[in-house]
Amino acid sequence: EAQVTQNPRYLITVTGKKLTVTCSQNMNHEYMSWYRQDPGLGLRQIYYSMNVEVTDKGDVPEGYKVSRKEKRNFPLILESPSPNQTSLYFCASSLSRGSTEAFFGQGTRLTVV
Amino acid sequence: GENVEQHPSTLSVQEGDSAVIKCTYSDSASNYFPWYKQELGKGPQLIIDIRSNVGEKKDQRIAVTLNKTAKHFSLHITETQPEDSAVYFCAGGKSGASKLTFGTGTRLQVTL
Repeated sequence: EAQVTQNPRYLITVTGKKLTVTCSQNMNHEYMSWYRQDPGLGLRQIYYSMNVEVTDKGDVPEGYKVSRKEKRNFPLILESPSPNQTSLYFCASSLSRGSTEAFFGQGTRLTVV
Repeated sequence: GENVEQHPSTLSVQEGDSAVIKCTYSDSASNYFPWYKQELGKGPQLIIDIRSNVGEKKDQRIAVTLNKTAKHFSLHITETQPEDSAVYFCAGGKSGASKLTFGTGTRLQVTL
């Protein structure tokens, strides 16, 4: 089954404690991205990657890092989480950056206290 | 950059009625407009999309219209059913570009 898998689904952490949210896709997609979803703001892109070792900033990259060492994985790293990073995070992938369909993961609800 | 506005933020309709959600965009170079449905506890799922070379597209009970001159596009759901209840997002972008800009979402409630 074609899917985008995020882990964990839920995470509560404390300010300043480094964390990683993993994202993996099994469709051999080139393009992957991370979004955060906040009430009243919709989905905002954090980072994207057009292929292995190629990443770039989206609209709200501050406080986040990503890496793309393998085609299937695109982890989101918060080196020093802060309460304003409490949000619902989605990973998405598509065949290439010009593809029409983006597949989204199930989401990770992060709470930073 | 692109700015996409979506209205209304909430919409309640009776089962069997039609629902219409409207979006406007700012970048006249945008040419790709997808709609996503997000059910509770799940990620957004593409339900229909339209490109700027057509004015309307239908898929069963769902249709999308695009007015390039006015820079707005709309989602129409006919004969609504309870399972249509969800949050719907519009988005805009350029084919071949690296990102989509999303609207703020519409929570659709279909009541019996």
